[in-house]
Amino acid sequence: RKEVEQDPGPFNVPEGATVAFNCTYSNSASQSFFWYRQDCRKEPKLLMSVYSSGNEDGRFTAQLNRASQYISLLIRDSKLSDSATYLCVVITTGGGNKLTFGTGTQLKVEL
Amino acid sequence: SAVISQKPSRDICQRGTSLTIQCQVDSQVTMMFWYRQQPGQSLTLIATANQGSEATYESGFVIDKFPISRPNLTFSTLTVSNMSPEDSSIYLCSVRLARPTDTQYFGPGTRLTVL
Repeated sequence: RKEVEQDPGPFNVPEGATVAFNCTYSNSASQSFFWYRQDCRKEPKLLMSVYSSGNEDGRFTAQLNRASQYISLLIRDSKLSDSATYLCVVITTGGGNKLTFGTGTQLKVEL
Repeated sequence: SAVISQKPSRDICQRGTSLTIQCQVDSQVTMMFWYRQQPGQSLTLIATANQGSEATYESGFVIDKFPISRPNLTFSTLTVSNMSPEDSSIYLCSVRLARPTDTQYFGPGTRLTVL
């Protein structure tokens, strides 16, 4: 089982739709969680950190469920510019504070 | 934030040769990392390169194949040695900044094709 698992997609959604991505992690010692965005042929960039209480940044909402070892990202009112691959990232205690990446979920927002 | 540049941005190399990738950061950072992203896959950590100590390699990666230098707090190099087509990948340099928030930044990557 992979340490961080995501549905690879692609998710094809119309502009204005709400879309949700899920991510599960296998190591219960994981301590920090992030969503990164990677555009085609570009480097990953931090989208947002994920806190236990959940957090929101404009149209983006991230949730963490430690009991189920599950992270989610909700995008409301999708824009064409949201088209990218979204990477779930986890840092695990005792792992040298290294980032472990999921394989990414591809989103395509269409007219 | 951190601004990271990498050279070269891309290269096409012959089997059996070596390529050294340079990474320059605009500020002094303790923790630098080298990742590989193979086509259609996510990022895999090759090694952690902290200044003043030997690089720490992840399982499946060895110093003879991927020697790393970290001469100061703003610069690092990764060499891909004795290349084979399986080494064709994007190689990314990354740094972690603790302040104002613990955030990891990535360079633009070096796209390597081995013939």
